[in-house]
Amino acid sequence: DTEVTQTPKHLVMGMTNKKSLKCEQHMGHRAMYWYKQKAKKPPELMFVYSYEKLSINESVPSRFSPECPNSSLLNLHLHALQPEDSALYLCASSRGGGVEYTDTQYFGPGTRLTVL
Amino acid sequence: AQKITQTQPGMFVQEKEAVTLDCTYDTSDQSYGLFWYKQPSSGEMIFLIYQGSYDEQNATEGRYSLNFQKARKSANLVISASQLGDSAMYFCAMREGNAGNMLTFGGGTRLMVKP
Repeated sequence: DTEVTQTPKHLVMGMTNKKSLKCEQHMGHRAMYWYKQKAKKPPELMFVYSYEKLSINESVPSRFSPECPNSSLLNLHLHALQPEDSALYLCASSRGGGVEYTDTQYFGPGTRLTVL
Repeated sequence: AQKITQTQPGMFVQEKEAVTLDCTYDTSDQSYGLFWYKQPSSGEMIFLIYQGSYDEQNATEGRYSLNFQKARKSANLVISASQLGDSAMYFCAMREGNAGNMLTFGGGTRLMVKP
């Protein structure tokens, strides 16, 4: 089973709202990722958690706040977003540890976010 | 310089025919992995196939095979017997041994299968 689930599927929010995106995996993976993808572009890495600790933050604005409550869950808290933050947000997980260049990332279905 | 280059922004293929999607990469690492993902219009990135830099055999997964030419730094995806459901965006990606958890994507190729 290589399933990563994400909720919600779609989200519309105003610039003053606070919302959260949720990602879950039950594959025992120890690395989890958030990506942002604009239309017709490849995904851009935002954050990486490895063994529940934030290991990579790709200079993402503070209005995006990641959280990893446990090894199966990853949240992305959103606050005071801008219209240009509208995008597809993808979560991924991988086994983590070991030989990293062989470590396959498995993606969830994504959350389509629209900021009005 | 771009690390992953996909030179075909869009391609058409007739149903039941084979198609090759090109991918060239640039790295100075000896250890790296190459991945192909499929992204239908629904948005989900679906992992298709993996090739390691030390693998001597080309990877195959069902109708997907990877034509790995290490000296040319190319990792082309071959889809045999195309189906209408193969219409999607395809991304080539690389993980380098010295880059930790970073997965570098190419710009993608949109494949359209004609009935």
